[in-house]
Parts: sequence; C-alpha cells; structure tokens
Amino acid sequence: QKEVEQDPGPLSVPEGAIVSLNCTYSNSAFQYFMWYRQYSRKGPELLMYTYSSGNKEDGRFTAQVDKSSKYISLFIRDSQPSDSATYLCASANQAGTALIFGKGTTLSVSS
Amino acid sequence: DAGVIQSPRHEVTEMGQEVTLRCKPISGHDYLFWYRQTMMRGLELLIYFNNNVPIDDSGMPEDRFSAKMPNASFSTLKIQPSEPRDSAVYFCASSINRGGGEKLFFGSGTQLSVL
Repeated sequence: QKEVEQDPGPLSVPEGAIVSLNCTYSNSAFQYFMWYRQYSRKGPELLMYTYSSGNKEDGRFTAQVDKSSKYISLFIRDSQPSDSATYLCASANQAGTALIFGKGTTLSVSS
Repeated sequence: DAGVIQSPRHEVTEMGQEVTLRCKPISGHDYLFWYRQTMMRGLELLIYFNNNVPIDDSGMPEDRFSAKMPNASFSTLKIQPSEPRDSAVYFCASSINRGGGEKLFFGSGTQLSVL
C-alpha cells in the first residue's frame, strides 16, 4: 500500500460545479499536507498548504485535513475550464524530509 | 530567477544505452529532489540531497540508477544501462529549508523513452 492513496479519476464536471478531490494517507507521523496542480507537459506547482489538521481557504479553493481519519480533501468552488489539470496531494512528516505524493486525479471542466 | 532548469526536455534512446539527465536548481535552495512520474505509479521519489549530500536514496530502483550533486548548482541522474521500463517523465525539484512544509519548485521534466 502506498503511503498516500488518491483516486486517479478522471473526473469531468461542467463549468461552475463544486469539485471535491480526496486522498487518504497511512503514516500517522505526517504533519504537512499539500495540494499541487499539474498542467499537461508541465511540472507540478504548489496550490495549497496545510499544517496539521484543519481548513485553509484561498479564493475558490479550500483544503481540509482530518488527521483522525487520515483524510485530505480539496474543494474547488465555481470551477472554471482553466482548472482542468491533474491535482496531486502530498504529505511529509517533518521538516527536511521529502514529500510523498498521491498518484494524482485528472480533472476536466467543460464550458 | 529562471526556476529549476532540466535538460534535455526529451530523450529517446535504445535499450542498453547510458542516459544522463541534468538539473540546475534555483539559486540559494539547499534541497534537491529527483522524482519519476508514470501513469501506473504516479510521482515517485528517487533520491534527494541536502547541501549537496545525498540524504535518502531508498527510492532508486536498482544499481543501474545513480545520482550526483557535485555542487550547489548542478545535479545529474544517470541510468546505465537503460531499459524500456525506465521510460517515464523525470522531474527535478528544489526547495529551501524554512523549518517545515517546504514548497517544492519543479522543473519542466525530462520525457525519457527507451526503445
């Protein structure tokens, strides 16, 4: 079992829909949780960052971490065609350690 | 800053040949990571360096893979001999240690095809 599991999709939604992307992780020591966005033929770019449990909001994006259930979520409100990309969740247990990534979920938003 | 620079952008080679991938991290960053991405396995960590010293190479598939970081501005990932199952996109990323949750900056990747 991978340390970070993510449903690869693909996920297709109409413009304006609310999107929910999810990951689970197995390592209780993970403290840092991130979402990266990867456009086709590009490297991943950091989208959201959360330390420990709780919510973080940035514009149309909300990241949520539930450490009790080892569940990581990303919500996208009012989705736009420009949100079409692969979204990767990632976790790390302490400073100076490498991020472990999920496989990524491919999202397509149609206009 | 130009960001993380990887070369070549694409590499097509035949089985058994040596392949060398190159990476120039962002100036001032003290961590450098090599990841490999495939549809089947996603983004996998191969090896990472801190201040040019390898910290964890447990993700390196086998002895055919080796990585070096001779100085703070250059790293190589070498595959010798290459095999078709090595075909993937190889990413280099760098970061600066700010005490946790460091943001990784990725290069554009090297698309490797081994025939």
